[in-house]
Amino acid sequence: QVQLQESGPGLVKPSQTLSLTCTVSGGSISSGDYYWSWIRQPPGKGLEWIGYIFNSGSTYYNPSLKSRVTISVDTSKNQFSLKLSSVTAADTAMYYCARVGWLRFVDYWGQGTLVTVSS
Amino acid sequence: QTVVTQEPSFSVSPGGTVTLTCGLSSGSVSTSYYPSWYQQTPGQAPRTLIYSTNTRSSGVPDRFSGSILGNKAALTITGAQADDESDYYCVLYMASGMVFGGGTKLTVL
Repeated sequence: QVQLQESGPGLVKPSQTLSLTCTVSGGSISSGDYYWSWIRQPPGKGLEWIGYIFNSGSTYYNPSLKSRVTISVDTSKNQFSLKLSSVTAADTAMYYCARVGWLRFVDYWGQGTLVTVSS
Repeated sequence: QTVVTQEPSFSVSPGGTVTLTCGLSSGSVSTSYYPSWYQQTPGQAPRTLIYSTNTRSSGVPDRFSGSILGNKAALTITGAQADDESDYYCVLYMASGMVFGGGTKLTVL
């Protein structure tokens, strides 16, 4: 059973960079045709896809966030990471890491981690 | 950018049937968009219900079904139960990546 767990600071100052890590257990992050993804949800609002990284290292980002987002993978630690630069209060959200299969759906979700942007 | 549309809210009586839809601001939804559906209750991570238009995820009761109805993807709940009261999100896969709909808040009363 694959499990994903987000980790990182719960509070980030405006204009700084938000950094989160997702640790994958129960399977190798480098095996299979999977897209390792980040999804967020502002308080009281809907879900938003941020982007994902394929095993090959290819990345795909939401066009509305592309200029500020970097997703990377560390196969030695079985982790992948999110960096979102120049954050504002609008980036306050629950951030989920997730695995997306070749049929383009999320088959495993992390529990989510709340990140608040505030001075 | 193309917007994925969902009804903001819907209501169903216990035991009743309800169909939620997922459309596009421009164009029609087809199976090539790989429609998927997720259920979310307050304070919880989403749960995957349906993928690839009509395939139920493991452990999902068969009263949840997916389809294409006209120019939209659809999620039908047959025999609604109290614990089906949740937010439901559809996702379409596009050239720009995965696009979530705004979600439908389903009330069972």
